[in-house]
Amino acid sequence: NAGVTQTPKFQVLKTGQSMTLQCAQDMNHEYMSWYRQDPGMGLRLIHYSVGAGITDQGEVPNGYNVSRSTTEDFPLRLLSAAPSQTSVYFCASSSQNLNRALFFGEGSRLTVL
Amino acid sequence: DQQVKQNSPSLSVQEGRISILNCDYTNSMFDYFLWYKKYPAEGPTFLISISSIKDKNEDGRFTVFLNKSAKHLSLHIVPSQPGDSAVYFCAASAGDSWGKFQFGAGTQVVVTP
Repeated sequence: NAGVTQTPKFQVLKTGQSMTLQCAQDMNHEYMSWYRQDPGMGLRLIHYSVGAGITDQGEVPNGYNVSRSTTEDFPLRLLSAAPSQTSVYFCASSSQNLNRALFFGEGSRLTVL
Repeated sequence: DQQVKQNSPSLSVQEGRISILNCDYTNSMFDYFLWYKKYPAEGPTFLISISSIKDKNEDGRFTVFLNKSAKHLSLHIVPSQPGDSAVYFCAASAGDSWGKFQFGAGTQVVVTP
């Protein structure tokens, strides 16, 4: 079972570069989200989507864009990377029919120099 | 403004004994709570949940207690095993934002022989 798949697992960027973190889920979950994990701060919500074509901002959305053209995919775009975006990023999905628990991918570690 | 707090960054417990992890929250609209376990270089994995209509939920060695008046929940692990050594996060969401969870900063549990 694939579950939630994130690529790439590791990425190093220079300040100002752009990139996209990919996320795909095969569980037909309506809800998908992106979190970042920083030391001592737990996981913070960046953007989320309650279904295809619908996205909204979370707690720390600045510097990130998302889109949801299909139920399965929810890419996270960094338009102009900054050192403050060095973090571990987790994509998650859930369904209101499945006790609302979030299912996470394995994470993408991003370093911005 | 961190609405979910785990005030103990670390916990050391002997194998076979009880581990008790604590979590406090400030938002009275939170009505659903989750606990996650995270190993290094992996995504968080769901452990157990509790709804605000209950004050206790059990699943094998894991029990979560909810005290709504104190805005406090705790996770009990009995008996603790070496494989329980991990970081544990609590998370909370409000009913009208069912997929948007706020996470605590996590507690590192070390189970010693």
